[in-house]
Amino acid sequence: NAGVTQTPKFQVLKTGQSMTLQCAQDMNHNSMYWYRQDPGMGLRLIYYSASEGTTDKGEVPNGYNVSRLNKREFSLRLESAAPSQTSVYFCASSVKEGGQPQHFGDGTRLSIL
Amino acid sequence: GESVGLHLPTLSVQEGDNSIINCAYSNSASDYFIWYKQESGKGPQFIIDIRSNMDKRQGQRVTVLLNKTVKHLSLQIAATQPGDSAVYFCAETVGDYKLSFGAGTTVTVRA
Repeated sequence: NAGVTQTPKFQVLKTGQSMTLQCAQDMNHNSMYWYRQDPGMGLRLIYYSASEGTTDKGEVPNGYNVSRLNKREFSLRLESAAPSQTSVYFCASSVKEGGQPQHFGDGTRLSIL
Repeated sequence: GESVGLHLPTLSVQEGDNSIINCAYSNSASDYFIWYKQESGKGPQFIIDIRSNMDKRQGQRVTVLLNKTVKHLSLQIAATQPGDSAVYFCAETVGDYKLSFGAGTTVTVRA
């Protein structure tokens, strides 16, 4: 039982490049989330999907887009990466529609030069 | 704006002792609180939660206390073990899933 799987684990980009972070969960959960974590700070919500087919903005959505491809997968896209987006990105899921995140992936460490 | 914060950024505790991690919140309307544990290189792990209609909730070796009068939340870990070394976050929400996270307390267990 893998839980929440994120790929890649590490990535270095140049300013202006685009990239998609992948997330998949195998627990048949309804809600999925994307957070970013910066040094010395708690997690901040970027986007969430309360159920398959729906997505909504969180606290810091600017510069990002998401796709809830199916119930299992929720991807995060950076269209034109900026150094301010250097961070660790976490995907999470919850069994409940609109519920609080219960299970997190191990993160994608993204550096933008 | 409203915020959630922890009183101390670091806590050092002797193995076998009890640990107490504190959290202050400022939004009196918050009605649901969660404690997460994050080990190095890993994602946060759900530990325990509590709703605002409760003062105390116990889990396995952990107890969460909520004092709504002073807007204070604490996590108590009994008989602290080396595996408890991690960063602990409190998070709050007002009726929905948009959690606000504190900055975290780093707990180090001394052998």
